[in-house]
Amino acid sequence: GQQLNQSPQSMFIQEGEDVSMNCTSSSIFNTWLWYKQDPGEGPVLLIALYKAGELTSNGRLTAQFGITRKDSFLNISASIPSDVGIYFCAGPLFTSGTYKYIFGTGTRLKVLA
Amino acid sequence: DAGITQSPRHKVTETGTPVTLRCHQTENHRYMYWYRQDPGHGLRLIHYSYGVKDTDKGEVSDGYSVSRSKTEDFLLTLESATSSQTSVYFCAISEADTQYFGPGTRLTVL
Repeated sequence: GQQLNQSPQSMFIQEGEDVSMNCTSSSIFNTWLWYKQDPGEGPVLLIALYKAGELTSNGRLTAQFGITRKDSFLNISASIPSDVGIYFCAGPLFTSGTYKYIFGTGTRLKVLA
Repeated sequence: DAGITQSPRHKVTETGTPVTLRCHQTENHRYMYWYRQDPGHGLRLIHYSYGVKDTDKGEVSDGYSVSRSKTEDFLLTLESATSSQTSVYFCAISEADTQYFGPGTRLTVL
């Protein structure tokens, strides 16, 4: 199925470093969602973006809705060991009377203490 | 956290047996979804519901059926489980364009 392009695919960083990842699409979205998934757990919604150009923060996380509506960015500042996990973006499309979601390929984050 | 529970959380079953997974929400959201997640494939939509008794197929619906008799419950049934259905299953809900996931059910078919 259709997927959003997400990069980087994985990254090792030192504790305390800032992290950036992005998600791109060939289609326009009116909403961008960012999730984190820990091993053995369900994805948890981190940030939802509803307006082009919007910049939204949630603690050490900041996400931006690209002005073209075809991309989004997630930044994590001052990373800590518990930031380890898989981060993925998602965009909803309203089709056939319901919302269907396109998911990014994921960024696997590993934090070195 | 969104009020979504899944049961059971873990299940081991044998090939050919029927299996039913339950998703329960306390948010009164209209839309409910079942996904499976496998290494290398990400989240794939099995079935979804847009209201009580209103359901439709997703991209990997073969071998699965669903029912939604109440707003809060969405059941996924494997009529005759196969080893290819070994996976982690996630339920999700949304009211508009923001989706929330349940904790998942890990199903192993031997």
